[in-house]
Amino acid sequence: GAGVSQSPRYKVAKRGQDVALRCDPISGHVSLFWYQQALGQGPEFLTYFQNEAQLDKSGLPSDRFFAERPEGSVSTLKIQRTQQEDSAVYLCASSLVWDIKTQYFGPGTRLLVL
Amino acid sequence: DAKTTQPPSMDCAEGRAANLPCNHSTISGNEYVYWYRQIHSQGPQYIIHGLKNNETNEMASLIITEDRKSSTLILPHATLRDTAVYYCIVRVARDSGYSTLTFGKGTMLLVSP
Repeated sequence: GAGVSQSPRYKVAKRGQDVALRCDPISGHVSLFWYQQALGQGPEFLTYFQNEAQLDKSGLPSDRFFAERPEGSVSTLKIQRTQQEDSAVYLCASSLVWDIKTQYFGPGTRLLVL
Repeated sequence: DAKTTQPPSMDCAEGRAANLPCNHSTISGNEYVYWYRQIHSQGPQYIIHGLKNNETNEMASLIITEDRKSSTLILPHATLRDTAVYYCIVRVARDSGYSTLTFGKGTMLLVSP
């Protein structure tokens, strides 16, 4: 069946450019998570949505990062005025219920800021 | 959340059992041990979790010591496709609300022919 999809898979941006990363969760999944994974590191939590409500954005590294999920399905992570330190893989995960063993990850978007 | 300590890398011959250790000496009584793995260029994949009893599923077995300060993930017959980074995560399973995952650097398991 269809899993979590993310687009684009790869994005190259010039420093200062705005980018938008898309996540299509598994249909019907209530919970949606964004993680950032730097090279050689484990993923780090960015933000969490329950349906359309953003309940936790404590992991967002700066106010240049913004996430939305207006209709409770597709989510977009936007990074404004990208910096080189934003280069990472951005992972999206969705879950039907609260139990994290059902948290399914997408393949990620690899962002390179030059 | 309790911190975990894992070896940075391990090797295993194809067909043999892979035993991946994890130390979590500060684990609390209500914290579960979760294992995820991440194959190159893919998102993390859930493997197994447990509280204090040993667990087994179609992918792996989880052995948790009696004092719960350490655990071992066992892949009974490793294949080349098991080459991945394996993350041990200690997490509170909440009855309500949500859970996030706090990953460390994990163990890079290399399965060779």
